[in-house]
Amino acid sequence: NAGVMQNPRHLVRRRGQEARLRCSPMKGHSHVYWYRQLPEEGLKFMVYLQKENIIDESGMPKERFSAEFPKEGPSILRIQQVVRGDSAAYFCASSPGETGIYGYTFGSGTRLTVV
Amino acid sequence: GDSVTQMEGPVTLSEEAFLTINCTYTATGYPSLFWYVQYPGEGLQLLLKATKADDKGSNKGFEATYRKETTSFHLEKGSVQVSDSAVYFCALSDPSSGSARQLTFGSGTQLTVLP
Repeated sequence: NAGVMQNPRHLVRRRGQEARLRCSPMKGHSHVYWYRQLPEEGLKFMVYLQKENIIDESGMPKERFSAEFPKEGPSILRIQQVVRGDSAAYFCASSPGETGIYGYTFGSGTRLTVV
Repeated sequence: GDSVTQMEGPVTLSEEAFLTINCTYTATGYPSLFWYVQYPGEGLQLLLKATKADDKGSNKGFEATYRKETTSFHLEKGSVQVSDSAVYFCALSDPSSGSARQLTFGSGTQLTVLP
């Protein structure tokens, strides 16, 4: 039973390029959450999605960041025109709908470096 | 808003030493409290949790007691092993803040156990 799969594990982008981070939730999990971990800091909530719906995006920067969780395929976190300050580890978690936070399972993260 | 404060790291201990990692929180209502562990290169794993005052969470020899009067959830282990070397995160979820499905994390404490 595969866990939460994130890819790529490491991503290097030049300033101004686009970064696309993928997250495949655990089998049977319909809820996805994205968190960002800046260097020397804890994880910060970004967005919570269910299939085809954004439920809570209160932690998403207003510009350049977007997220989707289509009916088929992985959830995608997209960062347009990346800047050095976007360098961080991005973690995805998934849960079965009814358990919420108690059923969180995290992926291993994507470490984005902007050069 | 809600917040979690953890003791600053890094913490270095010898094998079989006693471990305490302090965690205090600020929350609007009655949060659930968690400890997560992150091994190098991996995602976060739930270590233990407590959902109401005076609850004690325990797992793998680690314990933490939800103390409402001191708003604390300190992590303890009587005898650490080299394999416990990791980063430990304290976190909370506070439904009364309107964010039942997101976690608020502390900044993490790096633990290194020497043989």
